[in-house]
Amino acid sequence: SQTIHQWPATLVQPVGSPLSLECTVEGTSNPNLYWYRQAAGRGLQLLFYSVGIGQISSEVPQNLSASRPQDRQFILSSKKLLLSDSGFYLCAWSVLPTIAGELFFGEGSRLTVL
Amino acid sequence: ELKVEQNPLFLSMQEGKNYTIYCNYSTTSDRLYWYRQDPGKSLESLFVLLSNGAVKQEGRLMASLDTKARLSTLHITAAVHDLSATYFCAVEGEYGNKLVFGAGTILRVKS
Repeated sequence: SQTIHQWPATLVQPVGSPLSLECTVEGTSNPNLYWYRQAAGRGLQLLFYSVGIGQISSEVPQNLSASRPQDRQFILSSKKLLLSDSGFYLCAWSVLPTIAGELFFGEGSRLTVL
Repeated sequence: ELKVEQNPLFLSMQEGKNYTIYCNYSTTSDRLYWYRQDPGKSLESLFVLLSNGAVKQEGRLMASLDTKARLSTLHITAAVHDLSATYFCAVEGEYGNKLVFGAGTILRVKS
């Protein structure tokens, strides 16, 4: 069966520090991969998605970047965190190659920037 | 740009009562998804609606899709406390390679 892992689960970082959140999917090949952010409140904002190794689409201009160095690995990074980067970051994958289909979410990474 | 609107955004209801959450979206789409999120947790898939007129039921929850009206409903029957959570609807984007989520409906079921 397929599983998705995110880490770290919780992170407290000072403003201006770097960030790296990692997401790995197991049990499937060529997944679509997604990074969403959920700020205090409730809505989910799509940050990045990837349909293949090295292929990254950015949804909103921001202080973050994403990379997909391997088929089942998706990394969210920042060189210098801002207070506004605080939030709950969710990685997700879908099985269909060109259609989002049902998304399966990781457990999330809660980032607090102080 | 695809927009997905849910209402109400907050719903407090008594156990045993019925209610409906609405999800409207702005572009043509045949695919709509409902998710549940417990406080501090990730999202869990509830329903996948893949065509006009689709209806899915699981326990006290029933979801339907009207693609002509660009409307999906999540109906709650005889609510129980365990249904307290945030419910999101999501619609596929224009090229079908991403999901756009509504703002979520916070449901609190009171005993």
